[in-house]
Parts: sequence; structure tokens; C-alpha cells
Amino acid sequence: QVQLVQSGAEVKKPGASVKVSCKTSGYKFIGYYIDWVRQAPGQGLEWMGRINPDSGVTKYAQKFQGRITMTRDTSTSTAHMEVRRLRSDDTAVYYCARVLSYIGTNLEWFDPWGQGTQVIVSS
Amino acid sequence: DIQMTQSPPSLSVSVGDRVTITCRASQTISRYLNWYQQKPGNAPNLLIYAASSLQSGVPSRFSGSGSGAVFTLTISSLQPEDFAEYYCQQTYSAPLTFGGGTKVEIE
Repeated sequence: QVQLVQSGAEVKKPGASVKVSCKTSGYKFIGYYIDWVRQAPGQGLEWMGRINPDSGVTKYAQKFQGRITMTRDTSTSTAHMEVRRLRSDDTAVYYCARVLSYIGTNLEWFDPWGQGTQVIVSS
Repeated sequence: DIQMTQSPPSLSVSVGDRVTITCRASQTISRYLNWYQQKPGNAPNLLIYAASSLQSGVPSRFSGSGSGAVFTLTISSLQPEDFAEYYCQQTYSAPLTFGGGTKVEIE
């Protein structure tokens, strides 16, 4: 079955960087975008950006431009996201999700999601 | 950015009740609207995509409707496992955005 398994929880100090991994299985990795979404404690969902695993082309939300980098390793079917210059308000659960779509349209949806990676930023 | 506004933010209901959650977009988004369910400590789970298509494996008591800028998620007869948070999401244009969520609680 399709699975996205994320790396474990991280605790970082302000100003540091964190790299979260999302290992996929059960489908053709290069056939579907991977998006990243975060959820701060008690808050809603915030889209961060996406990567095309085939080409490596990325699209980031403007809010995170310059501070995040999404990459992929096709040999291990794994997507990665690095967040730099961490602040306390980056404390959140970070999710990856596979993007499904009707070909040639923006009719897209996320399924499935990874289990989430807790990132705590604290001095 | 397209703003997504869900209402109500929370509701207290009983098992067997009919539940309707509304999601309004700040501009027209055609049918580019999805619904997710999230239980505490878990990742969101897809319920409805493209406004009204039921995801495989999701019970038929869930349904979605709407187009343009106003959408609804309906649970025809609430079951104990349906107590959760529900989010809408637009994919009409980047940045993709989510509604603020609706928490369905036991009355």
C-alpha cells in the first residue's frame, strides 16, 4: 500500500536548521508531487510548498522563500525539506503528502499524508 | 492569497445528528475544494475531493457540495468515530490554503 513515513522528532535551538525526511513506498515516486504542510500547536494547516520528484523543480509559499529547501532522492524514493534560521514560531508538526490530480488541471488533493514530524524550537 | 473561511469554528452535536459545515472562499475557485478530517495526534485524512467526490473507503454518510465560492460538507448521521476536526482546502491557486477548521464535539 502507499505509505509516506517521516523522520523522527527534532529539538533545535533558535537560528539552527532542521531537515525532515519523507520516505515513500508503494507507488511510482517520480509520478506524483510531494507537498509539505505544517501545523503549529493548536493551530490550523499551513501549506509550505511542493517538489516535483521527477524534475526536482520546487514551488515555495512566499512566506518561506529563502528559508526552506525541498529536495528529493529518487534512488531511495525520499523527499526532504530543510528549514533554516529556525525561530520559536517554527515549532510545529511538519507533514508531507502525496498530491493526486486530474491530469492537466489544478484539481488536486492530498492522499495519503505522512504521520508528521514534530519540530520544537527552543533555547 | 485566497482566504478560506469555515463556519462554525466548533459545534457540539449528538450521535445521529446531521452536521453541515460551510467553507467560503474569498474568490471563486470553481470546484477546486477538498475536505479533510483530522483526529488528535493524527495526520489529516482525505474525505472529499473536487468539491463532491467521495474518497475511496470513506463512508457514504459524508458528502460534499458547492461550486464557485461556497461549499458544504455534510455528515448525514454522525457516528462516534466522526468526532474530529474538519478542514477545507483550495487548490485553485498557489499558495494552497486551508480553512481554519471546524471542531465537531460531543454534546
